Amino acid sequence: AQSVTQLGSHVSVSEGALVLLRCNYSSSVPPYLFWYVQYPNQGLQLLLKYTTGATLVKGINGFEAEFKKSETSFHLTKPSAHMSDAAEYFCAVSDRGEYGNKLVFGAGTILRVKS
Amino acid sequence: DAGVIQSPRHEVTEMGQEVTLRCKPISGHNSLFWYRQTMMRGLELLIYFNNNVPIDDSGMPEDRFSAKMPNASFSTLKIQPSEPRDSAVYFCASSPSNAIYFGEGSWLTVV
Repeated sequence: AQSVTQLGSHVSVSEGALVLLRCNYSSSVPPYLFWYVQYPNQGLQLLLKYTTGATLVKGINGFEAEFKKSETSFHLTKPSAHMSDAAEYFCAVSDRGEYGNKLVFGAGTILRVKS
Repeated sequence: DAGVIQSPRHEVTEMGQEVTLRCKPISGHNSLFWYRQTMMRGLELLIYFNNNVPIDDSGMPEDRFSAKMPNASFSTLKIQPSEPRDSAVYFCASSPSNAIYFGEGSWLTVV
């Protein structure tokens, strides 16, 4: 069975500082991995995904994540935080089942950006 | 593309009433998912369909919950009777293959 652990339920950074949100996964099959962002009172928006190929994945809004199989990690980074990045971020792993991708989500990390 | 469309966006209902949440997936997507989000339990998968057929409903909390997908462009999630502990945000999502796209959610409050 798949599972996701997001380290740190809350992360606070200063505007312009590096953003690092941690995600570790467990999967019995080669995983598909995802990061989603949720702004207050809104749905989940796909930031980026890893399926196969290049392990460094670039997404929207300047975010990127690197799949590290040896560490079973898929950490999300952004070189310079903006105030508009304040939101909740969810890492997810897919079971790549026969009928499509059933996602298992982590508990989420709330990112606060200080001015 | 219009994205996944959910209705109603907000609903307040009294305990014991029937609640029906509706979803229109993105055209061409063959998988549809219903998730529930609460502070206590986070995001939980309730049920998912592939080509309109329910594949896994193990996340449906109890018999008061039911979901249907009569065609490729419409799905419903019904709660009957509703209880205060059903208060949550219910998300519908659809997928073509290797990514899942969410609607804006239906905010349900049962009083």
